Amino acid sequence: QKEVEQNSGPLSVPEGAIASLNCTYSDRGSQSFFWYRQYSGKSPELIMSIYSNGDKEDGRFTAQLNKASQYVSLLIRDSQPSDSATYLCAVRESGGYNKLIFGAGTRLAVHP
Amino acid sequence: DAGVTQSPTHLIKTRGQQVTLRCSPKSGHDTVSWYQQALGQGPQFIFQYYEEEERQRGNFPDRFSGHQFPNYSSELNVNALLLGDSALYLCASSFQGRTEAFFGQGTRLTVV
Repeated sequence: QKEVEQNSGPLSVPEGAIASLNCTYSDRGSQSFFWYRQYSGKSPELIMSIYSNGDKEDGRFTAQLNKASQYVSLLIRDSQPSDSATYLCAVRESGGYNKLIFGAGTRLAVHP
Repeated sequence: DAGVTQSPTHLIKTRGQQVTLRCSPKSGHDTVSWYQQALGQGPQFIFQYYEEEERQRGNFPDRFSGHQFPNYSSELNVNALLLGDSALYLCASSFQGRTEAFFGQGTRLTVV
């Protein structure tokens, strides 16, 4: 059973701080990794994708991937109250057709 | 450019009934995947449709079935509804199942 693990949180950070969200996965053959943001009662919104080891930056977001350790992380710099949401880590299953395996999500709360 | 659209947004059904949910993919996308998201959980893959065929299926019973039309839109059918089928049903589209997946706004199904 291929799995994606995330701390459920809540992760509470003050406004302006860096939020660090982590994810581990079991499918060693996976090559594609995604972070989705989900506001309460809404659907997941893609915010980052990463395919190679190392860092990928997009605005205030940085995704980090270490395939050897089977570890993915998301850093949010200058956190804002509007970043308060659940962040879902998703891994594309190896050998499949874009089947995504999701973690249960980490709830982030940014307080003023 | 229209994103992924789903209908209806909310639905209440009685145990034992049947339900049909609908999804139109993002413009330019030809692959539709369906996910079930229970409260507090990450989305779980139900199945994926490409070229009007079910290409991959997750661990869901045969009560869950689907269809894809020539215009790439898709339907999810659930027969003999159980209380445990209450969830947010999400449709995600991509191109040939190889690109990033984008979600629709979801259908909230409540079985009473």
